[in-house]
Amino acid sequence: GAVVSQHPSRVICKSGTSVKIECRSLDFQATTMFWYRQFPKQSLMLMATSNEGSKATYEQGVEKDKFLINHASLTLSTLTVTSAHPEDSSFYICSARADTGTTSNPGYTFGSGTRLTVV
Amino acid sequence: GQQLNQSPQSMFIQEGEDVSMNCTSSSIFNTWLWYKQDPGEGPVLLIALYKAGELTSNGRLTAQFGITRKDSFLNISASIPSDVGIYFCAGRGAGSYQLTFGKGTKLSVIP
Repeated sequence: GAVVSQHPSRVICKSGTSVKIECRSLDFQATTMFWYRQFPKQSLMLMATSNEGSKATYEQGVEKDKFLINHASLTLSTLTVTSAHPEDSSFYICSARADTGTTSNPGYTFGSGTRLTVV
Repeated sequence: GQQLNQSPQSMFIQEGEDVSMNCTSSSIFNTWLWYKQDPGEGPVLLIALYKAGELTSNGRLTAQFGITRKDSFLNISASIPSDVGIYFCAGRGAGSYQLTFGKGTKLSVIP
């Protein structure tokens, strides 16, 4: 089945530094990837939608200059948290949508998440 | 925007019991998905529903796409300890590839 690899799984960084998180679709092409943020005991909050070769669409309230998203190929999207601060500490999860060619069966596969801790 | 109400928020059940949880939406969805998330992991797809009225099973799990297209339920039969986790419903509306997630149902199974 469809597999999405996300890494690193955990990262600790110093305040003010930048962190890059990678999301790869291993056995399918993902024209669309999604980035979510999840706080403890809460649901997934969509941050942005990225389409290969174009600029990401950010949800309201998400700072695009802080959370840089690049979707340079059909199998790779990256999220860079720039000038990280402790309040950016969270669980970040990516999802890739497989373009199956049918509108009734859009597959969504999630990565295993990245726990970011900013100290 | 679209909102999903998922209930119950949490459940404590005895091993072997059946479980039911549901989601309702303020608007129509074209797709309903049910995911399970273990601590520190990403959500894993359990069941996908694509047509109103559709009833789909995956082992001990059964889910249905409501005929109004505004609700869905997930049933787990004969629960076992490894069913513990957080279950999320997610829906996709017309004209969008984005998913809207429910707030989750935390399931605890008492051996």
